[in-house]
Amino acid sequence: AQKVTQAQTEISVVEKEDVTLDCVYETRDTTYYLFWYKQPPSGELVFLIRRNSFDEQNEISGRYSWNFQKSTSSFNFTITASQVVDSAVYFCALNNYGQNFVFGPGTRLSVLP
Amino acid sequence: GEEVAQTPKHLVRGEGQKAKLYCAPIKGHSYVFWYQQVLKNEFKFLISFQNENVFDETGMPKERFSAKCLPNSPCSLEIQATKLEDSAVYFCASSQFRGADEPRNEKLFFGSGTQLSVL
Repeated sequence: AQKVTQAQTEISVVEKEDVTLDCVYETRDTTYYLFWYKQPPSGELVFLIRRNSFDEQNEISGRYSWNFQKSTSSFNFTITASQVVDSAVYFCALNNYGQNFVFGPGTRLSVLP
Repeated sequence: GEEVAQTPKHLVRGEGQKAKLYCAPIKGHSYVFWYQQVLKNEFKFLISFQNENVFDETGMPKERFSAKCLPNSPCSLEIQATKLEDSAVYFCASSQFRGADEPRNEKLFFGSGTQLSVL
């Protein structure tokens, strides 16, 4: 069975602080995708990143970075110099090539001015 | 089109009434997924299609929920005899999986959701 755990239910930080959102997953498959999505208060889902299981290269995109550690089944997401607009619920998700997505429960991030 | 189009944006039904939601996937995408999100919490997978064929329906409450993806028509999710607990946002997503050769950042494209309120 596949499972995604986001242990942090809610996080509050002050603007300009760095924050890391944790994601731990379980799967028996050797090939799979991992995703991060952002859901702002308006409700839509915003794609942030997709990572293939065979690609353990870490990625940086502006203030966002992702650390994929296959050995610990983790795919953590760091926001550097957080901004108020980063306030949202962030979901980590696991997918096995075309099969249904398994989402984590989400982490609500509040960035205070 | 270049986005997943879900209609209507909002739907209000009295308990026991039927509700029908629509999703037009991105042209060329062969996979369609339906998810239910209650109170902006966890996403519950309902059903997926590969073209017009059901791919995975393990999440569907089959006694009242049904879904179709017919050629040249939007996909649909229908709830017969709605209950209060069906109140949620229903997201549709489409994608085109081609295995290990896909572009690195190919993503699952989500629609903006249909907010169903059952009163």
